[in-house]
Order: sequence, then structure tokens, then C-alpha cells
Amino acid sequence: EPEVTQTPSHQVTQMGQEVILRCVPISNHLYFYWYRQILGQKVEFLVSFYNNEISEKSEIFDDQFSVERPDGSNFTLKIRSTKLEDSAMYFCASSDRTSGYQETQYFGPGTRLLVL
Amino acid sequence: AQSVAQPEDQVNVAEGNPLTVKCTYSVSGNPYLFWYVQYPNRGLQFLLKYITGDNLVKGSYGFEAEFNKSQTSFHLKKPSALVSDSALYFCAPNRKASGTYKYIFGTGTRLKVLA
Repeated sequence: EPEVTQTPSHQVTQMGQEVILRCVPISNHLYFYWYRQILGQKVEFLVSFYNNEISEKSEIFDDQFSVERPDGSNFTLKIRSTKLEDSAMYFCASSDRTSGYQETQYFGPGTRLLVL
Repeated sequence: AQSVAQPEDQVNVAEGNPLTVKCTYSVSGNPYLFWYVQYPNRGLQFLLKYITGDNLVKGSYGFEAEFNKSQTSFHLKKPSALVSDSALYFCAPNRKASGTYKYIFGTGTRLKVLA
């Protein structure tokens, strides 16, 4: 069964450094998402992406964040200058419109980011 | 403001007994309703969803959920719990905004099934 994959599974970085989190969505999916989960808290929506542009972003997704689909398979989240409060589990998700069930999003296993 | 309430942080149930994990929501429009499960150190796995039709929907691993429009609730149920069902469960209404769908997650309910 196809699944969303994410790399790396864990990332440790120093405050102020740039990080790039990578995701490979399910191959025929057209809608892509990033969510994050701070330890012990609920999952929060960050951004949605379709047709090579951002569809919606939350207030969390400030100028330090950017997303990109650099090729036909990868979907990346970049944090330009990390802060301590960026430490969280970051989940990528994708959904498929063509089947008519675009509303179901399939999540990757997450990248745990720790900012020191 | 849009919100989801999962009133119980933890639910304990004996193996073989029925379980219920509660969810109520306050989301504008007619959101689609989802349940996801998260096992330790794993991502979110889709369990089931309600879009329209029969108020009782069946999903993976023997789970089902009952939609109640008047109470804006979508409680997750299983007739007979297994120890392997122990995990964190999230209720997530999904509404369309700007052409894409966005989940609004509850805080999660930890289910502990005791042998």
C-alpha cells in the first residue's frame, strides 16, 4: 500500500540554523500539507499546498517558514532560522482529488525536530 | 472560533469490553468528520470518516463512530477492545478553506486497554 514517507526521522539543530524537512507524498496525490505537534500538545495545521502554490497557511507559518515542491516527488518544509519553540514533531500529509476523496489526508511518520 | 473537544484525556477499559471515546465539535458549515490513531513514535493513521449518509460509520480494526448532528458529536466506539488498541486517538473535523481541506484536531484521548 502506498504511503507518505519523511526524512529524516530525527533532526537535532542549533538555534538560528536552517533546517529542511523532506516528504515524499503518495505518488498520485495533488494536495500536500504540513502539520506540527509540540510534545504533549495537539496537532496543528501549518500549511496546505496545491498546484505549486500555498493554498492556506496558519498564523504559525510566518516568514521563517517556506514550502517547496522542487521536483515531481518531493515536498519540503524549510525553517530559515530555527527557534527553541520550533522543537516539535512535523507531519507531512497528502490527499488525492482525482478519486473524489480529496478530503482524506494520509500522514507520514513524522520528523522529530529538536532545536538546542 | 472553531474547536474540537475530547473531554477525556484518558480512557481505561478492560480487554473484551466495549469502548467509547468521545468527541464534540464546534465547526462552521457541515464539516467532514474523521478519527485518527497515533501509536507511540508513529504517525497518524486514518481510522474512519463521516461524509454523509448513515450516521454509523465503520472503519479500520473494528472501530465505528456515530455521528449526531443535533449534539455535534462524533463518538468513536468498538464493541470489544483489544490490548493492541491502546494508543492516542484524535478526532478531527475537516473543513474546506481556500480550496483545500484543513483538519482541526482535538487534544487527543489516550486509550488504555487492560489485559
